[in-house]
Parts: sequence; C-alpha cells; structure tokens
Amino acid sequence: EVQLVESGGGLVQPGGSLRLSCAASGFTFMNYAMTWVRQTPGKGLEWVSTISGGGGTTYYADSMKGRFAISRDNSKNTLYLEMNSLRAEDTALYYCAKAQRGYNKFDYWGQGTLVTVSS
Amino acid sequence: QSALTQPASVSGSPGQSITMSCTGSSSDVGDYNYVSWYQQHPGKAPKLIIYDVTNRPSGVSNRFSGSKSGNTASLTISGLQAEDEADYYCSSYTSSTSLIFGGGTKLTVL
Repeated sequence: EVQLVESGGGLVQPGGSLRLSCAASGFTFMNYAMTWVRQTPGKGLEWVSTISGGGGTTYYADSMKGRFAISRDNSKNTLYLEMNSLRAEDTALYYCAKAQRGYNKFDYWGQGTLVTVSS
Repeated sequence: QSALTQPASVSGSPGQSITMSCTGSSSDVGDYNYVSWYQQHPGKAPKLIIYDVTNRPSGVSNRFSGSKSGNTASLTISGLQAEDEADYYCSSYTSSTSLIFGGGTKLTVL
C-alpha cells in the first residue's frame, strides 16, 4: 500500500525558514517523480514544485523560485521542501504527492502538513 | 499565470448527469493533452479521477468521464450519487509554469 506521510509544518515568523519532509513507502520511490502542492485554508490547490525520480531535474512555480528548494533522498525514501524567506501568503496545508507517470498527474497524496507564517 | 477557470459551484439531483468546465488558454489546456481532474472531500486529500484528458485510473468509477474542446476541458459525472458531493479541481501542464490548477468547483447533490 502506498503511503505518504508529511511532517515538519508549524508556526514560523515572516522571513523565517522551514523544512518539510515526506516519508514514502509501498512503491519504488526512485522510479517516480514527486511533487509538493499547497492549499490555502478554504481555498484551492496550488502547485509548488516537482522533482524527477533521480533528483536531477526540478521545477518550481514562479512565486516559489529562489525561495523554495525541493530535494529527495532515495536511500531514505524521503522527499523534502526547504522553504526560506517565508511570507504570510505561504500559509497553507502542504501536500506531497507521487506522480503517476511523467510529471503532471498525481495518483497518491499524503494528508498534508500545515505551515502557518505569522508574527 | 492565473489559475484555470472553473465555475464556483454546480449542482444536480441523484441519478442525473452534470458537466463542469475548466477553461484555460492556448498555452495550457489548448496545447497539451495533459489535463487531470481531482476530487476532494472535506478534510481529505485530493484524489485523481481523470488524467490525460480522458483516462480513468483503475478503481475510479466509469461514471466519471473527461473531454476537451479547444481551451476548455470538461468533467462529466453520470448517475449522480450522494457520495459525489465534493470539490473538483482540474489541472493542466503549461509550457511556462509547468503545472496549473483551476480554482475548484463545489458539486452539490440535491
């Protein structure tokens, strides 16, 4: 059974940093691209970033470029999202998701970890 | 880049069919057959129900179907059931930002 478990969310001040993790199991992690998608409370989904199975290729939404960094450790079956220079508008529930095939469709999602940026 | 445009809400009675739209541009929906649809129940993670415009993942009911015409993709749910009440999001590959979601449509089963 595929499982994705996010962790690392919490309360952080504006300008601060946070590192999210996503522990994966139930599939051959290195064979699939992985992504982060966020959801503002009560609002819609927003794609954040995607990384290839080998970790050599990354993609970011324009508003996250230069502030967020996606990475993965295939030996630990874990996906990461390093978030810097956080803003109030980054407050959201952050989901990690497994790509089904390719990079643009996601067949398994975690339950999310909540990031709150506030002073 | 702005989100794909979805109606805020649609509704239908049990047994009926409904169709919801997802409008983009020639840089995303219109130029790529990489439209996906996700169903999200309150407090739950999204679930993939349609990918590559028309394909259903295994285990997804054949009451769900997808299509595309020009810059607009559509999701049709036939034989509406109470359990279909949820939020629905479309997404598309886009050449400029890689992936974009719609704002979501709330489906109410009357």
